[in-house]
Amino acid sequence: GAGVSQSPSNKVTEKGKDVELRCDPISGHTALYWYRQSLGQGLEFLIYFQGNSAPDKSGLPSDRFSAERTGGSVSTLTIQRTQQEDSAVYLCASSSPGHSSGNTIYFGEGSWLTVV
Amino acid sequence: AQSVTQLGSHVSVSEGALVLLRCNYSSSVPPYLFWYVQYPNQGLQLLLKYTSAATLVKGINGFEAEFKKSETSFHLTKPSAHMSDAAEYFCAVMGGATNKLIFGTGTLLAVQP
Repeated sequence: GAGVSQSPSNKVTEKGKDVELRCDPISGHTALYWYRQSLGQGLEFLIYFQGNSAPDKSGLPSDRFSAERTGGSVSTLTIQRTQQEDSAVYLCASSSPGHSSGNTIYFGEGSWLTVV
Repeated sequence: AQSVTQLGSHVSVSEGALVLLRCNYSSSVPPYLFWYVQYPNQGLQLLLKYTSAATLVKGINGFEAEFKKSETSFHLTKPSAHMSDAAEYFCAVMGGATNKLIFGTGTLLAVQP
C-alpha cells in the first residue's frame, strides 16, 4: 500500500504481558515517528527515528517502552510488563524530511491497545 | 521549545455557518505549522501546512488558515460548515533543530443540522 501501515489494528492484552506493535512506513521515507493518543492526554510524542542518526527517545514514558527500526524501514514499538494506563492508540507516522523541516508527516491508522 | 495552544476543546456550529478553530503557537524560531483532522476511529489526515511561503494557506475540503506572526496565531477557518466536517482537529508545530511535531490538545467540532 501507499500509506503508513500498522499492525495489529487492535490488541487486547493482560496486565503484565509484553506487546509489540509494528509500523511499515511509506517507502522511501527516512523519518519515522511514534505517538500515543489517549483520553485526556492528547497526542503524545514517544520517539523519532531519522535515517542512521541516534533516535530521539525523549518522549518514552518509562523504561518499559522501547522501539527499534531495522534496516531503516520497519519499526517495532515494544511495551514490557504492560499496565492499564498503557491503554491507548499508538500512532506511527513517516516523512521524508529532505534538507529542511516542514515536510508532511503521514500517519497510519493506529494500533488500539487495551490492557485488561 | 515549541508549543501550541488550541482554545476551545469543543466547538459547535450550525450547518452552513462559519467554522473558526483557534490555534496559537510558541516558537523561538520561525515555525512550520500544521492542521490535521481526525475522523472517528481513523488516523490523522493533513488539512494544510504553513512552511514560510504565503501566509494564507488553503487546504483540503475548503479549509484555510492564516499565519499571523504578530499574533502568533494560525487559526483554521471554513466559510460554510458541512455535516461531514464533524471531527477532531489538531494544530501542530515543528521547528528548530528537531523534526519533532508537537500537537495541541485538539478541538472537537460538532456540526448541528
